[in-house]
Amino acid sequence: EAQVTQNPRYLITVTGKKLTVTCSQNMNHEYMSWYRQDPGLGLRQIYYSMNVEVTDKGDVPEGYKVSRKEKRNFPLILESPSPNQTSLYFCASSLRLRGEKLFFGSGTQLSVL
Amino acid sequence: AQSVTQLGSHVSVSEGALVLLRCNYSSSVPPYLFWYVQYPNQGLQLLLKYTTGATLVKGINGFEAEFKKSETSFHLTKPSAHMSDAAEYFCAVTPHTGGFKTIFGAGTRLFVKA
Repeated sequence: EAQVTQNPRYLITVTGKKLTVTCSQNMNHEYMSWYRQDPGLGLRQIYYSMNVEVTDKGDVPEGYKVSRKEKRNFPLILESPSPNQTSLYFCASSLRLRGEKLFFGSGTQLSVL
Repeated sequence: AQSVTQLGSHVSVSEGALVLLRCNYSSSVPPYLFWYVQYPNQGLQLLLKYTTGATLVKGINGFEAEFKKSETSFHLTKPSAHMSDAAEYFCAVTPHTGGFKTIFGAGTRLFVKA
């Protein structure tokens, strides 16, 4: 089954404790992206990747890191989480860079205390 | 910078009534246009997309959208609402050239009354 898998589904942590949210897709997609969803703001893009070892900032990259060492994986790293990073996070992928639908993971609800 | 505006954060309709969710984009060059739906506790799913060609696009679950270049709009409609349509709907755009960002609107939550 074609899917984007995110883990964990829920995460509660404390300020400053490094964490990683994993994302994996099994569709051999070139393009992967991370979004955060906040009430009234819709989805805002954090980082995206056009292919292995090629990443770029989205609209809200501060406080986040990503890497794309393999085509299927695109982890999101919070080196020193802060309460304003409490949000619902989605990973997404698509076959190509433009004009193709995004396949979304089920989301990760992160709470930073 | 490109932007997407969804008019109305909440829309309420009666079951069987017309659904109209509005979306306007800001770029002078028409982008790729998408509508996604999000059911509670789930990720987003594609309803329909416009790339080129016919301006009336049909999607899943009886939804359709019409691209109007002169109005920079891509409104989503469904002739008869069903209770199962209650969800949040997002309009999104991706440019044909230049950057690779997908920009989402703030979303419209649709309520369907029995």
